[in-house]
Amino acid sequence: EIVLTQSPGTLSLSPGERATLSCRASQSVSGSNLAWYQHKPGQAPRLLIYGASSRATGIPDRFSGSGSGTDFTLTIRRLEPEDFAVYFCQHYGTAFGQGTNLEIK
Amino acid sequence: QVQLQESGPGLVKPSQTLSLTCTVSGVSLDTGNYYWTWIRQPAGKRLEWIGRLYTSGSTNYNPSLKSRVSISVDTSKNQFSLRLSSVTAADTAMYYCAMGVAGFPYFDFWGQGSQVTVSS
Repeated sequence: EIVLTQSPGTLSLSPGERATLSCRASQSVSGSNLAWYQHKPGQAPRLLIYGASSRATGIPDRFSGSGSGTDFTLTIRRLEPEDFAVYFCQHYGTAFGQGTNLEIK
Repeated sequence: QVQLQESGPGLVKPSQTLSLTCTVSGVSLDTGNYYWTWIRQPAGKRLEWIGRLYTSGSTNYNPSLKSRVSISVDTSKNQFSLRLSSVTAADTAMYYCAMGVAGFPYFDFWGQGSQVTVSS
């Protein structure tokens, strides 16, 4: 069973700064099965990145994904006020990370 | 635009059956190569995949829940449903429905979630 561990648990940054979120798998996985989502309170989660590095439809290019094997990263180049939310990674549709809360500093 | 909306009782008694419905708009449940999924998240814990139903009618369930869970579809109402039997307090969670394209292991669209509490 694949376990995904995200870090940090909480990330406090200011608008305009760069955010780097990590998702580590307990064993090597195929990047094609790795996705990232954004989740705001009271809203439906939104697909950001699939296949580790491909942006979903309508996702701004300040969001980027990278990584392979056991280590994957979601980078938000210049934070906008609407980017503050919980982000979680997912593997193969069945395993989820515990989430990173990106909060305004 | 595809939209999903969960509905159902917010309170279920222990040992009873939890039933939730996901109403889908913007796409038909009986066409295309999609799958329809249920996921839940207990407070303070990570998301847990419950199971999925393909347009073809085949299903897959989380082994830890398989003996208690059933996912079905009502194409006349463009809805799919979750039934979870013999519930306990451990089944208290926010329940989400979601959809994906067959062969692609991620969810293009989710619902906003429905809170279910198991309590007498």
